[in-house]
Amino acid sequence: QQQVKQSPQSLIVQKGGISIINCAYENTAFDYFPWYQQFPGKGPALLIAIRPDVSEKKEGRFTISFNKSAKQFSLHIMDSQPGDSATYFCAASRGSGNTGKLIFGQGTTLQVKP
Amino acid sequence: NAGVTQTPKFQVLKTGQSMTLQCAQDMNHNSMYWYRQDPGMGLRLIYYSASEGTTDKGEVPNGYNVSRLNKREFSLRLESAAPSQTSVYFCASRPNYGYTFGSGTRLTVV
Repeated sequence: QQQVKQSPQSLIVQKGGISIINCAYENTAFDYFPWYQQFPGKGPALLIAIRPDVSEKKEGRFTISFNKSAKQFSLHIMDSQPGDSATYFCAASRGSGNTGKLIFGQGTTLQVKP
Repeated sequence: NAGVTQTPKFQVLKTGQSMTLQCAQDMNHNSMYWYRQDPGMGLRLIYYSASEGTTDKGEVPNGYNVSRLNKREFSLRLESAAPSQTSVYFCASRPNYGYTFGSGTRLTVV
């Protein structure tokens, strides 16, 4: 039962380019949508997150775009750098008062070529 | 350093052996989680503990047991390891929304 679907599985981008990773969810009760970044041998680390009451959130070179009606959200990495090479996971959860279980997408391995 | 600490970092088990993965957090978080990470499947929730004294099953609990020893510690036990349990295991804790993950335990069952 995959409630969050992520694409593409892998992505190669040239330095300075834009990296785009997409996710789609099924459960309309989800109200928190984070993106995690994971480097080899490390645990995932929170990168940026959004709530469904806004359509976009930007932090530095990282932007989340959110489309509530389509039940989709995406991560845009502007001016991609080799240091951005990592695996990215989208996720979704429902309410902090709930158990807050995060449901993760399958992950996208990003390689930024110099 | 504050955070989530997992031990061991690496482990090789023979089929049928048992072991316990340890996790401790020093951030006074109420909720703790165990996930497994497999290629192409993202992270899947095994068990979680919403607060001290409570535990509940996640998406893939079969073959595992957990203990929330106190607020800081949440252990994961494999009673009879199987090759299908070869994976990287992550423990996480959270205050409200954002999770903090440990660095993982890479387990191989042969």
